[in-house]
Amino acid sequence: SQQGEEDPQALSIQEGENATMNCSYKTSINNLQWYRQNSGRGLVHLILIRSNEREKHSGRLRVTLDTSKKSSSLLITASRAADTASYFCATAPYSSASKIIFGSGTRLSIRP
Amino acid sequence: EADIYQTPRYLVIGTGKKITLECSQTMGHDKMYWYQQDPGMELHLIHYSYGVNSTEKGDLSSESTVSRIRTEHFPLTLESARPSHTSQYLCASSEMGFESTGELFFGEGSRLTVL
Repeated sequence: SQQGEEDPQALSIQEGENATMNCSYKTSINNLQWYRQNSGRGLVHLILIRSNEREKHSGRLRVTLDTSKKSSSLLITASRAADTASYFCATAPYSSASKIIFGSGTRLSIRP
Repeated sequence: EADIYQTPRYLVIGTGKKITLECSQTMGHDKMYWYQQDPGMELHLIHYSYGVNSTEKGDLSSESTVSRIRTEHFPLTLESARPSHTSQYLCASSEMGFESTGELFFGEGSRLTVL
């Protein structure tokens, strides 16, 4: 990957369970964002966490950031069938804030 | 709904043809991007722009070119398409400035198939 790795690459869980996805990156960053992509569509922004923040919440989403480990996690609580999608983290390197680079993505499937 | 539009959504062309993928946004965003994505795979940044008359190459080497003559328009051109160019091309835009969240707004993508 050009920036880092996400794991797992694929995740299948039962509806109602929580889903956790992890993202690692290589360079110092200004912020980290999470996006969602339904099959064959464009990406939709979910949440942004700045480098001086450690945790952020938005509805059923919880994002953490550990800059010392260069890693982030996205937790989706009480998953729904509609959450089935691919999830990508994206980072803006400190040296070039406009150059937004995406991770390899996690494909999440929610079983009804 | 994001106000960023890509045309065509789907294109099938023969090898050697010249094609232009159009991208327009009505949000007045200064920054615009082109990403290339194979199905189910990661996005690769191929071009970006800070504003009018600004274009930069991304991390993925690409034979395509871009132009930014107007704020709202960021077309991508392939002078001679090859089967290796078969992919989905995603255009995105974002605000610039200290107060900007840096959120990218994406179009629906242009899926290109070169025979």
